[in-house]
Amino acid sequence: QKEVEQNSGPLSVPEGAIASLNCTYSDRGSQSFFWYRQYSGKSPELIMFIYSNGDKEDGRFTAQLNKASQYVSLLIRDSQPSDSATYLCAVRNTPLVFGKGTRLSVIA
Amino acid sequence: GAVVSQHPSWVICKSGTSVKIECRSLDFQATTMFWYRQFPKQSLMLMATSNEGSKATYEQGVEKDKFLINHASLTLSTLTVTSAHPEDSSFYICSATPLESHEQYFGPGTRLTVT
Repeated sequence: QKEVEQNSGPLSVPEGAIASLNCTYSDRGSQSFFWYRQYSGKSPELIMFIYSNGDKEDGRFTAQLNKASQYVSLLIRDSQPSDSATYLCAVRNTPLVFGKGTRLSVIA
Repeated sequence: GAVVSQHPSWVICKSGTSVKIECRSLDFQATTMFWYRQFPKQSLMLMATSNEGSKATYEQGVEKDKFLINHASLTLSTLTVTSAHPEDSSFYICSATPLESHEQYFGPGTRLTVT
């Protein structure tokens, strides 16, 4: 069974710090990886996707992929209180396989 | 780009009635759409995969006769909750993948309350 594992948190970081969210997956053949942000009571919003080993940066967000170790991470620089949400890691199969999410709390 | 809409955003219905939820991809075509359900403070649960022009594929434990899915076009899928019960009250979310793309975009969700 294909699985995606995330630490449920909550992960608390002070405003301005770097938040680091991690995810591991079981299917070594997975090729595409996604990070979604979900605010309470709202639907998930795609914030990053990564297909190749290494880092991918978009504004304050950096996704990191290591296929050999089967993990993908998301770094949020200069964390803001508005970043407080649940972050879902997803791995491409059809459909996507989601982790249970990590709740991030950025403390002002 | 890649906007998915849902209608209605919330609905209240009485036990025993049916409710239809629409999911539309506004600026792209999608051969495949997905329907999820999420209870408070719980994870997304995939209910079914909807393929344009063919029958939906339901996840184990999801009653296909209760949750009717129709994917009539490349931009529209509907979920009908039949003979609704209070335990069907939940947040229903659809998502869609553009043609030749790997990304999956979510609609804003429909909050269903069955009284």
